[in-house]
Amino acid sequence: GENVEQHPSTLSVQEGDSAVIKCTYSDSASNYFPWYKQELGKRPQLIIDIRSNVGEKKDQRIAVTLNKTAKHFSLHITETQPEDSAVYFCAASDSSASKIIFGSGTRLSIRP
Amino acid sequence: NAGVMQNPRHLVRRRGQEARLRCSPMKGHSHVYWYRQLPEEGLKFMVYLQKENIIDESGMPKERFSAEFPKEGPSILRIQQVVRGDSAAYFCASSLGQGNLNEQFFGPGTRLTVL
Repeated sequence: GENVEQHPSTLSVQEGDSAVIKCTYSDSASNYFPWYKQELGKRPQLIIDIRSNVGEKKDQRIAVTLNKTAKHFSLHITETQPEDSAVYFCAASDSSASKIIFGSGTRLSIRP
Repeated sequence: NAGVMQNPRHLVRRRGQEARLRCSPMKGHSHVYWYRQLPEEGLKFMVYLQKENIIDESGMPKERFSAEFPKEGPSILRIQQVVRGDSAAYFCASSLGQGNLNEQFFGPGTRLTVL
């Protein structure tokens, strides 16, 4: 089955700097890669996703890249702000999407 | 649209008791997914249901856990004879259809504490 590895587990960046979170997946059948943000005690919320037919997608300060050959995908947050502090999860699923396989999470802290 | 609803939000049980967790999907959604999140860990898939059918239960423990999604009413995740290791946040999600063209929307979760 699919296995998603995520790193780093914790990340602290200065406000205004960029943050990068990286993930790898194992199942070549996976073709959908969502990213979720989870604030303390709250539900996971989808912030951006990418499908295997594109290599990059951007939404304001957030961008995702996908390398299908290497089975790598990454989240990039630019001009970080205090409200970006949260746990971020990468995930993968295949076309059937009967389940989403999550990474172990990255706790992002933005230093003022 | 009220979104995905879960109740109770917090549940405390003693070892050996039963826990029942409820999930009402978003209006119009007939696909429900249950995930478990242990403290400081990611979400682990448990089960995927459509109305009256279990589609994929590959993440469900073989014993003590069961799930249903009846024709009427919410989806229920049932844990019998709870143990301390069952303490976790249980999230359900719903989607409009099957396949990853359909976003899964998450509920607020039920935090189960087993004493």
